[in-house]
Amino acid sequence: GQQLNQSPQSMFIQEGEDVSMNCTSSSIFNTWLWYKQDPGEGPVLLIALYKAGELTSNGRLTAQFGITRKDSFLNISASIPSDVGIYFCAGRDYGQNFVFGPGTRLSVLP
Amino acid sequence: NAGVTQTPKFRVLKTGQSMTLLCAQDMNHEYMYWYRQDPGMGLRLIHYSVGEGTTAKGEVPDGYNVSRLKKQNFLLGLESAAPSQTSVYFCASNAAGQETQYFGPGTRLLVL
Repeated sequence: GQQLNQSPQSMFIQEGEDVSMNCTSSSIFNTWLWYKQDPGEGPVLLIALYKAGELTSNGRLTAQFGITRKDSFLNISASIPSDVGIYFCAGRDYGQNFVFGPGTRLSVLP
Repeated sequence: NAGVTQTPKFRVLKTGQSMTLLCAQDMNHEYMYWYRQDPGMGLRLIHYSVGEGTTAKGEVPDGYNVSRLKKQNFLLGLESAAPSQTSVYFCASNAAGQETQYFGPGTRLLVL
């Protein structure tokens, strides 16, 4: 079946640093999504990408849809303590099947 | 507007017992989903529904059944619980044509 890989699995950064994480797939997706999950909560959508090569920002977050349609990255600039959580990428094919990556766990040190 | 709610929040079952998880959304969304989340594995789709009265299998449907008798509710049933079904279960919904899935707070299930 379709699988997504995320790297890194986890990262520890200092407050104020920039963060970069990526997601790769063995399959092509038509839509890429990035979610954040806080402890004890469900995931919340951060950014949605619809076209190959698309670069989209949401505040301090920037994400890009890879040209090959098999990858995407998420950058967070000037990290703050509330950025702590698990970041998931997800891809959607032609149907309603959303495939999620295993997540990148982000810790921000003061 | 409560969004997506899940009942119960936490449950402990013995192997072989049955239970039903309830998901309710008040956003008039057409699509609803059930996922399970296990450590290091992200979210895996169990079943989904694109409308009242319709359901479809996801990536890991075995051992689960679902029903969508009303547009706002999506039920996930475990007929005979197994320890491998210990997990956190999330329900989600979205409007037709929209990518934004809204997730519930999760149900933590422990099968002994």
